[in-house]
Order: sequence, then structure tokens, then C-alpha cells
Amino acid sequence: AQSVTQPDIHITVSEGASLELRCNYSYGATPYLFWYVQSPGQGLQLLLKYFSGDTLVQGIKGFEAEFKRSQSSFNLRKPSVHWSDAAEYFCAVEESGGSNYKLTFGKGTLLTVNP
Amino acid sequence: ETGVTQSPTHLIKTRGQQVTLRCSSQSGHNTVSWYQQALGQGPQFIFQYYREEENGRGNFPPRFSGLQFPNYSSELNVNALELDDSALYLCASSFPGGTRELFFGEGSRLTVL
Repeated sequence: AQSVTQPDIHITVSEGASLELRCNYSYGATPYLFWYVQSPGQGLQLLLKYFSGDTLVQGIKGFEAEFKRSQSSFNLRKPSVHWSDAAEYFCAVEESGGSNYKLTFGKGTLLTVNP
Repeated sequence: ETGVTQSPTHLIKTRGQQVTLRCSSQSGHNTVSWYQQALGQGPQFIFQYYREEENGRGNFPPRFSGLQFPNYSSELNVNALELDDSALYLCASSFPGGTRELFFGEGSRLTVL
């Protein structure tokens, strides 16, 4: 069964600083990978996804992520963090080619942004 | 704003009771998934419905059941509530095609006392 590990439970960065959130997955085949963001009182919103092709994917709100098969990683990055980026971030994997959209999520990384 | 609405937003039940949570999907979406998010955890897949039929189930007991209606709205029913059922229940809708993006509602927060 697939699994997702987000090693950092909580990260604090200063506004304007760069950000990298780590994600490692365990899955036998080529996975579909996602990053979702959950702001307080809101549902999860898709930031970006990787299915195949270019391993560097761009998402909304200036986020990008890089798929590294050799490291089983899909880390999320942003060059300059804004206060509005404070939220919880979830990495997820889906069994590729499955008939249903079952996602396996990591436990999340809570991002705090200091002014 | 995803167009997915859930009700109620908050509710409190006691152990052994039954609860029904409702979800209205985004227009044109014929697939709905339900997830349970316990405090401090990521969402866990409960099940998915596609055109009114269950289309995949996670590791949840049979007392978790669901329905999808012809208008693609959905219900999650939980019988014989246990304390560990306290969580945020998320509904997500999606549509056929290659994007595989899930559109989540804001969730229903269930507390079991």
C-alpha cells in the first residue's frame, strides 16, 4: 500500500524567505502526486500535481514542486513566502490509473509565517 | 470557493448515536468522495461514489455507509458512534477527465461525547 511521509510537522519562516516542504512517498509504480493546502476554516485546495513528463511542476500562488524518482520525493518550494501562505500543507499520492480517485495523504506540515 | 457545500458545519453527538452528513457537489461533478480528518492527521479516504454506486472504499467498518443521489449530492451515515469518530469529515467532488483534481468542501466537524 502506498504511504506518504511529511517529516516536518511545523515550519516557521519569515515573510519574504524561501520555503521548502518535504514529502516522501512509498509506491511501487509511477505515482500521481499532489500538494493541497488547507487554510483555517476552509477546505483543501489543490496547489499542483504531477502525473508524468517534466519533473518540475508549477502551481498556483507561486508554488512549484520537483519530482525525484530516485529519492521518492516530491518537495514543495516557494522562493518568497507571503503572510497569506500561512496554512497547513498536505502531500498526497494516488494510485495511477485507478478507477477511483483515492488519495493517500501525509499528516501535513503546518506553516507559520513571521512578519 | 469550490462550489462544494457541506452540512451541518458542526455537530455534537453522544456515543452510540447515529449521524448523517450531507454534501452538495459542484455542478457537473458526478463523483463524490468522503474523507475523515482526525485532529493533527491528514485526511483518510472513507469511500467514493460514482453515478450512485460505491466505487472504492477505504479501511472503515460497515457502520460507515453512504448514498449518492441522482443529482449527485451525497450523504455519509455513521451508526453506533464511537469517541474515535470525532473528526472533520470532508466531502470532495470531481468530474470525469484527466485532471483528477478533487474539489473539497469546508467539512463537517463531528464531536462524539
